Amino acid sequence: QAQLKESGPGLVRPSEALSLICTVSGASISRHYWTWIRQPPGKGLEWIGNHYDSGTIDYNPSLMSRVTISVDTSKNEVSLRLTSVTAADTALYYCARGVEMGGNWFDPWGPGTLVTVSS
Amino acid sequence: DIQMTQSPSSLAASVGDRVTITCLASQDISNYLNWYQQKSGKAPKLLIHDVSKLHTGVPSRFSGSGFGTHFTLTISSLQPEDFATYFCQQFEDPNVTFGGGTRLEIK
Repeated sequence: QAQLKESGPGLVRPSEALSLICTVSGASISRHYWTWIRQPPGKGLEWIGNHYDSGTIDYNPSLMSRVTISVDTSKNEVSLRLTSVTAADTALYYCARGVEMGGNWFDPWGPGTLVTVSS
Repeated sequence: DIQMTQSPSSLAASVGDRVTITCLASQDISNYLNWYQQKSGKAPKLLIHDVSKLHTGVPSRFSGSGFGTHFTLTISSLQPEDFATYFCQQFEDPNVTFGGGTRLEIK
């Protein structure tokens, strides 16, 4: 069964770029689609984007100008890069596998990694 | 964007109670509605997909219903492990959106 784990720096300075990696085991990156979702402390969930196995990528329009999602099939990793960060980008960042079987849903999720934006 | 509005935002209930959480979509999303459960300090987990289909291993006391813009999640008899936050999520539009969450607390 698929297992996901996010990793990356826990602290990023304002105006810099945030880069995270999601390492996938138990499933092939190339056979599914992958998503990033974030959750500010004590708040709700915000979808960031999906990377489909076709190569198509959908981004949240509110983040589109700053975000890039990519995959490395040789390492079975999914990456997230968010540029020009501010305190509003402080959040728990989750990666998840997308499942498309008629409908679409996210399962499983990684445990998440907390990123704090602060000088 | 399709807005998803959950109510109530928080709910206090007792073990054994029947509880219902509502999720309203700002436009027709057909049956592209999922529910997730998030326990404190943990990642969300899929509970129900496509309105009413229980994910593997989810107890039958959970059920979902609805179509179009109005959806509900019902727990028929609350158990101690059900106290958590619940989120609905639409996938009719490629711009995925979540409801604000319903925090279910012990009375």
